[in-house]
Amino acid sequence: ETGVTQTPRHLVMGMTNKKSLKCEQHLGHNAMYWYKQSAKKPLELMFVYSLEERVENNSVPSRFSPECPNSSHLFLHLHTLQPEDSALYLCASSRASGGYEQYFGPGTRLTVT
Amino acid sequence: AQTVTQSQPEMSVQEAETVTLSCTYDTSESDYYLFWYKQPPSRQMILVIRQEAYKQQNATENRFSVNFQKAAKSFSLKISDSQLGDAAMYFCAYRSAGGYNTDKLIFGTGTRLQVFP
Repeated sequence: ETGVTQTPRHLVMGMTNKKSLKCEQHLGHNAMYWYKQSAKKPLELMFVYSLEERVENNSVPSRFSPECPNSSHLFLHLHTLQPEDSALYLCASSRASGGYEQYFGPGTRLTVT
Repeated sequence: AQTVTQSQPEMSVQEAETVTLSCTYDTSESDYYLFWYKQPPSRQMILVIRQEAYKQQNATENRFSVNFQKAAKSFSLKISDSQLGDAAMYFCAYRSAGGYNTDKLIFGTGTRLQVFP
């Protein structure tokens, strides 16, 4: 699957580091999403960008900062994370609104030490 | 708020047999979409099947079919002629069709399916 790509695939960072996750979609979609996937919990929607405007921010801590410079790219900037932030971070894209399915990237496995 | 419940954390099936994964949801909306996603061990989530709530006919996609019971708010996935490649986590998901939250997918906790030869 190459429609939605994510880099890096694995990331280990200390609590004082600053890093960024990148997502790129090649499907011509105009909505993009960040999800957090932790063991034995439902996928948690973190951010939604629709038509490059942030429309959803599910009370995510400010140590996570999204950026969507255009409809094809989405970033998640990370700083002063906590060990409980260790998880798989998934990016997805879709056509905005309606019942269009979301297409997912392979995820970034983040470990905070 | 809408919720999605998958009551089977794990299921197993023998190759070539049929298995059904259950999903129930709670909503006060009349128009919405339901999805089943599959996440193999390689982690990339892929869409298996999609159902529009306004359609009475159950969706089918090759060996995958759903049993959509709108009144019961039930949306089960049937996998026929199971194959080793069907082994994965399966997630049921809900998406509103109107209003503010049409871009939001609500997921269940998933069912891990094992397929034995």
